[in-house]
Amino acid sequence: GAVVSQHPSRVICKSGTSVKIECRSLDFQATTMFWYRQFPKQSLMLMATSNEGSKATYEQGVEKDKFLINHASLTLSTLTVTSAHPEDSSFYICSARDDRGGWDNQPQHFGDGTRLSIL
Amino acid sequence: DAKTTQPNSMESNEEEPVHLPCNHSTISGTDYIHWYRQLPSQGPEYVIHGLTSNVNNRMASLAIAEDRKSSTLILHRATLRDAAVYYCILTETSYDKVIFGPGTSLSVIP
Repeated sequence: GAVVSQHPSRVICKSGTSVKIECRSLDFQATTMFWYRQFPKQSLMLMATSNEGSKATYEQGVEKDKFLINHASLTLSTLTVTSAHPEDSSFYICSARDDRGGWDNQPQHFGDGTRLSIL
Repeated sequence: DAKTTQPNSMESNEEEPVHLPCNHSTISGTDYIHWYRQLPSQGPEYVIHGLTSNVNNRMASLAIAEDRKSSTLILHRATLRDAAVYYCILTETSYDKVIFGPGTSLSVIP
């Protein structure tokens, strides 16, 4: 089945560091990918929609200069948390839809998440 | 976006069937009903989806009410590995954003 790979699975770094998280669709092309953030015991919160070849669309309240998204190819989107601080510590998850599905209502495929801990 | 409501939590005994309800009274005629689940410390995984007719796959069954204002995810024999948060979500097309509500936390008792 369709697989989405996220890397790294876990990051621990010092405050002020910028951290890049990769999201790859391994066996399909994805013009559109999504980035979510999840705090402990809460549901997933959509942060942004990543579009190949164009600017990402951010949800209300998400700082675009803080969370840089690049979708340079049909199989790779990256999320960079710039100058990370302890409050950015969270579980970050990406998802992608298979372009072959067209408008047909196919499911999203999710990565296994990246646990980011800022000290 | 049409919203869904689910119970916060449910319990089931192992090897018994589980019926997870979802209400979506404002569903539109073109909204699909999707179910995802999230195991601890993992990303969500797709379970099943449908539009009007009941659906079966290897993981579960989806029973959709005739008026489409509610649906039920059925796990035929709960196992310990089915302990997860289950999310019922409506989307109109594949291009729609998948917006997660609180979901139902399912506990499976050995």
